[in-house]
This record gives sequence, structure tokens and C-alpha cells, in this order.
Amino acid sequence: GIQVEQSPPDLILQEGANSTLRCNFSDSVNNLQWFHQNPWGQLINLFYIPSGTKQNGRLSATTVATERYSLLYISSSQTTDSGVYFCAVFNQAGTALIFGKGTTLSVSS
Amino acid sequence: DAGVTQSPTHLIKTRGQQVTLRCSPISGHKSVSWYQQVLGQGPQFIFQYYEKEERGRGNFPDRFSARQFPNYSSELNVNALLLGDSALYLCASSLAGAAYEQYFGPGTRLTVT
Repeated sequence: GIQVEQSPPDLILQEGANSTLRCNFSDSVNNLQWFHQNPWGQLINLFYIPSGTKQNGRLSATTVATERYSLLYISSSQTTDSGVYFCAVFNQAGTALIFGKGTTLSVSS
Repeated sequence: DAGVTQSPTHLIKTRGQQVTLRCSPISGHKSVSWYQQVLGQGPQFIFQYYEKEERGRGNFPDRFSARQFPNYSSELNVNALLLGDSALYLCASSLAGAAYEQYFGPGTRLTVT
């Protein structure tokens, strides 16, 4: 099945810093989602991005499907950005999201 | 509009017991999926239901079963609970069955003692 690898596993930043999270996947995919999991376990949708670039405020994402990777950019990080960021891709049938192990981001003031 | 809702929020069960978790999708969504997330890992796919039919099943034992009702809500049942079933169970809904954006509920945290 499809493998999803995220890097780095952990990231520690000072407030105001920028960061780039990477997601590599092992096969062509139907679609890709980025999520932020808050301390209470809620998965918050960030981007649904099969290809190209999208921006939402301080966050943006780029997926290069032909090269099998996606990047999540966080600019001017805030303490509220702390949490776990997951990349997930759909399996070939489009019935299931396959998640990476996540990147744990800690932003300190 | 209300998001995906799940009940109960927390649950404590004893080994060998059975549990039923419930999920209501976003209004207008016809697909519901279930995921299990153990501490420190990403969610693992259990089932997808679309239009009341099972469309996908992950690598979980037959102790896990689910169904979807005519109003598109869903139940996940787990029989003969094991300690290893302790996890956060997440429900996701989407408009349709294949590769549509999924929206997750707040989860049910199950503890098996």
C-alpha cells in the first residue's frame, strides 16, 4: 500500500519564525489533505490539495503530485500553531486516508 | 452548520465487553468513515460507508463492525474488547464516496481496563 512519510518528526520554534513541513508519498495519489490536531484530539482541516499551491492566511501548501511530495509552510508562527500536523493521502480506491506519523510543532513565546 | 458529531466523548470499558460508538455526519454528507488513533500515531482507517454500503475496510479484526443508517449516521461496534483497543476513535464525513475532502469529528476516547 501507499506509504506516507513526514519530516521532521519534531520542530521547536520561537514565536515569529517560519517553518516548512514535508510530506513524501510512495505512489500516485487521488488527493491529499493536511490537518492540524489540537491538544484535545480534534483534527482541523487545513488544505485539500491534489496539486498546485493554496494559501490560507499565514499557511500555504504546495503539492507536486508528479514528484510525490507536498509541503506545508507556516509563516510568522504563533503559540496557537503548536500541535501535531498530519499529511494524509487517499488510497487508490479513494476510500481511505493514509496518514503519516505527523510532525509535532512546539512554538514558544 | 453543525460539524461532525460523535458520542459519547469518553468511555471506560472492561476487557471482554462490547462497545458502540455513534457518529452523525455533516448535513448533506452521504459518506462516513471510521479511524482509530492510538497514542503517538496517526489515525488508522477502519471502515468507509457510502449510501449505507461498506465501500472500504482497513486491516482490523472481525471484532470491529459498523453500519450506516438511512439518515447517514453511523455506528461502530467493537466486541470482546482488548486492552489494545484503547484509543481515540474518529469519525469523518464527506460528500460522497471516493477521494472527497473528509471532515473529522471530535472523537470518542475509549479506555479498556
